[in-house]
Amino acid sequence: QVQLQESGPGLVKPSETLSLTCSVSGSPVRSYSWSWIRQSPGKGLEWIGFIETTGSTTYNPSFKSRLSIGLDTSKNQVSLKLSSVTAADTAVYFCARLLYTRAYLRFDYWGQGTLATVSS
Amino acid sequence: QSVLTQPPSVSGTPGQRVTISCSGSTSNIGTYTVNWFQHVPGTAPRLIIYGNNQRPAGVPVDRFSGSKSGTSASLAISGLQSEDEADYYCAAWDDGLSGPVVFGGGTRLTV
Repeated sequence: QVQLQESGPGLVKPSETLSLTCSVSGSPVRSYSWSWIRQSPGKGLEWIGFIETTGSTTYNPSFKSRLSIGLDTSKNQVSLKLSSVTAADTAVYFCARLLYTRAYLRFDYWGQGTLATVSS
Repeated sequence: QSVLTQPPSVSGTPGQRVTISCSGSTSNIGTYTVNWFQHVPGTAPRLIIYGNNQRPAGVPVDRFSGSKSGTSASLAISGLQSEDEADYYCAAWDDGLSGPVVFGGGTRLTV
């Protein structure tokens, strides 16, 4: 059974870097692509970016200059680092497994999400 | 403002059938397939439709169905149950400036 569990500091100060981890069980991270999606308070889902098995990343243009997504195959984890955060980055952050071709995508497993609050 | 447009809310009574629309353009739905997700706040989103009309294992075949025509897609839920009350989102690849993955704004289903 594939399970994803996001974790992070909960509270981050403005201008600092938000670091989140997605721990995966039941699926080797090196064999699939992984994505981060967030939901700001009172809003819908927003795609952040994904990382492929090769380590190649694709990011939402809105985040491109601040974002880094990585894989730790030894711990079977996916990471997200978002720098220079503001209150607008306060959200629940989800990780999800992504299956895709150029014409087809499928976010088949999701974590429950972790709340990250940006506040001084 | 989401790239894919969904109605903010729909409602129905138990046993009824409801549909949720997702409107896009040639750069997304018109070219690529659509996912639908069910999300009960505080839980993990659940994939209920992929490839426009395919259901993952465990999704009731007689209750959830998806369709696509041109640049719009629809999710139909039949035999409404109280546990269907959730937020529903569509998603697709996109060739535009917001891409390459775009979500709808979500639709709150009240049963």
